[in-house]
Amino acid sequence: GAGVSQSPSNKVTEKGKDVELRCDPISGHTALYWYRQSLGQGLEFLIYFQGNSAPDKSGLPSDRFSAERTGGSVSTLTIQRTQQEDSAVYLCASSLVAPVSYNEQFFGPGTRLTVL
Amino acid sequence: SQQGEEDPQALSIQEGENATMNCSYKTSINNLQWYRQNSGRGLVHLILIRSNEREKHSGRLRVTLDTSKKSSSLLITASRAADTASYFCATVNSGAGSYQLTFGKGTKLSVIP
Repeated sequence: GAGVSQSPSNKVTEKGKDVELRCDPISGHTALYWYRQSLGQGLEFLIYFQGNSAPDKSGLPSDRFSAERTGGSVSTLTIQRTQQEDSAVYLCASSLVAPVSYNEQFFGPGTRLTVL
Repeated sequence: SQQGEEDPQALSIQEGENATMNCSYKTSINNLQWYRQNSGRGLVHLILIRSNEREKHSGRLRVTLDTSKKSSSLLITASRAADTASYFCATVNSGAGSYQLTFGKGTKLSVIP
């Protein structure tokens, strides 16, 4: 594809509801990352997928957050029982071969999540 | 945790002037990257400098890296109104399995026409 795509672009939900955010990486990119950007904050690493390896979930803030990547391509980030502090822009990125010490990451436009 | 710390937090300049943003970090790195973000959405990769490099150029961008001071600077020459955006430095730590980017909080640049 032309770039990383994410859907939805905006999501408003009520506290306590579950949400699913989707990321379509660039075709051929084996590494996929999720980041979160809260208002006034920098970007916070959440999770990393590389090929068929077990994902690195070390950045997930709580067990309400989970992510999967099906077929080595599309990824879904799920937030259960959303809280107001989950409100943020969730950014997905992909890159070529990982470990990717020297490879740039290509970012999607993000999903802006608002929890009321 | 936020490793990179950019300064200034905000910078306002006239079109045509040069803009300099600085970034400091705390751990040993493999490389340092600069990204640009418009309107709080997707990031665009600008330039990557490896830990064994001291300076790198790309068009109107010039990046320096001083690993002894754990700092980097991004210079945008002959700024344009279209350069208005937030700029983030991000580091990839040295060591096996290092891949995630650790971002600072960014510098918000405003270029006044």
